[in-house]
Amino acid sequence: GDSVTQMEGPVTLSEEAFLTINCTYTATGYPSLFWYVQYPGEGLQLLLKATKADDKGSNKGFEATYRKETTSFHLEKGSVQVSDSAVYFCALSTGGYQKVTFGTGTKLQVIP
Amino acid sequence: NAGVTQTPKFQVLKTGQSMTLQCAQDMNHEYMSWYRQDPGMGLRLIHYSVGAGITDQGEVPNGYNVSRSTTEDFPLRLLSAAPSQTSVYFCASSYSLAGAFYEQYFGPGTRLTVT
Repeated sequence: GDSVTQMEGPVTLSEEAFLTINCTYTATGYPSLFWYVQYPGEGLQLLLKATKADDKGSNKGFEATYRKETTSFHLEKGSVQVSDSAVYFCALSTGGYQKVTFGTGTKLQVIP
Repeated sequence: NAGVTQTPKFQVLKTGQSMTLQCAQDMNHEYMSWYRQDPGMGLRLIHYSVGAGITDQGEVPNGYNVSRSTTEDFPLRLLSAAPSQTSVYFCASSYSLAGAFYEQYFGPGTRLTVT
């Protein structure tokens, strides 16, 4: 079946450091890929998405590129802020609404 | 536009008690889902609905019931609570356009503890 593998957290960075959170996937067909973010005490919200190979999703300084050849969708940001502290979930969708698979989440802590 | 709302925010139950978690959305989305979030396991789909009157089971449906009598509401019922149901529960909604699936909108969650 479909699966998403994320790097284990927590990830602790100093403010203005470069961020990479790795995400790889296994899926049948051609999935859409998503990054969701969950701030403390809140629900998940979409951060960015890509629907086909080589697409780059971007939002709020975060970027991720859909790499079909390496089945990856790594999240990057050039300079993190304390306000980016949250849990980040990689997810994929194949074949319909109910077929959304989430990774286990990676907690990011940014210290001043 | 309130988006997806959930009540209550927190709940403590004793083993064997029943309760209903409420979920409502005001975006006229056709799709709605319930997930549970447990440490180290990400989100797991409990039940989902593709429209009023239509529901189906997700990955972990045992111990839970749902119904969808209106587009707006999608309550989740715990029939006889067990400690294994201690979790954070999220409701989500979404829509499709010309067959394309769009991202999900999540509620703020209900933190449930079963003692």
